[in-house]
Amino acid sequence: AQTVTQSQPEMSVQEAETVTLSCTYDTSESDYYLFWYKQPPSRQMILVIRQEAYKQQNATENRFSVNFQKAAKSFSLKISDSQLGDAAMYFCAYRSAVVDKLSFGAGTTVTVRA
Amino acid sequence: GAGVSQSPRYKVAKRGQDVALRCDPISGHVSLFWYQQALGQGPEFLTYFQNEAQLDKSGLPSDRFFAERPEGSVSTLKIQRTQQEDSAVYLCASISTSGTEAFFGQGTRLTVV
Repeated sequence: AQTVTQSQPEMSVQEAETVTLSCTYDTSESDYYLFWYKQPPSRQMILVIRQEAYKQQNATENRFSVNFQKAAKSFSLKISDSQLGDAAMYFCAYRSAVVDKLSFGAGTTVTVRA
Repeated sequence: GAGVSQSPRYKVAKRGQDVALRCDPISGHVSLFWYQQALGQGPEFLTYFQNEAQLDKSGLPSDRFFAERPEGSVSTLKIQRTQQEDSAVYLCASISTSGTEAFFGQGTRLTVV
């Protein structure tokens, strides 16, 4: 079974600053996908960024980027130029290449200070 | 539809009552998942369908929980004789055959009183 660990229950960042959220995972598989999802108070899970394990290059989506360290089984999310709208709960998730099921971490609540 | 639709958005049930939660996935999406999310926690897997076949129900917490997807599209999660510990948000997600991204509905918040 795969486990996903997010060790930071809460993070606070000043508007326009950068914040990094950590995530580690445990797996014996070599091919898989990793995701960061954002969940605002509306409860809608929104995909922020996706990383395929076979790709060495770190994924980037506008102000969001990841640091994927496959050997260390680490997948951190960096939010640059933080905006008030970034305030939400962020979940790291793992998905095997073989089975569609997502395994989630416990989440990190991000607050953005104006 | 444009996205995954879940109904109702909110449900209050008296302890012991049966409830049914509905999920309308994105049209054509083969895989459908149900997750349970307790307050302040990450979603926990309940069950998974590929078309009408329920391939994995290992996450269902008890035999009071039952899910179906008879025609391979709409799915219903049924909880019999609800208990207070069933209070949570129930999320549904679907994935297309060729895709990797799971699309989520807004969830149903179930409160058992």
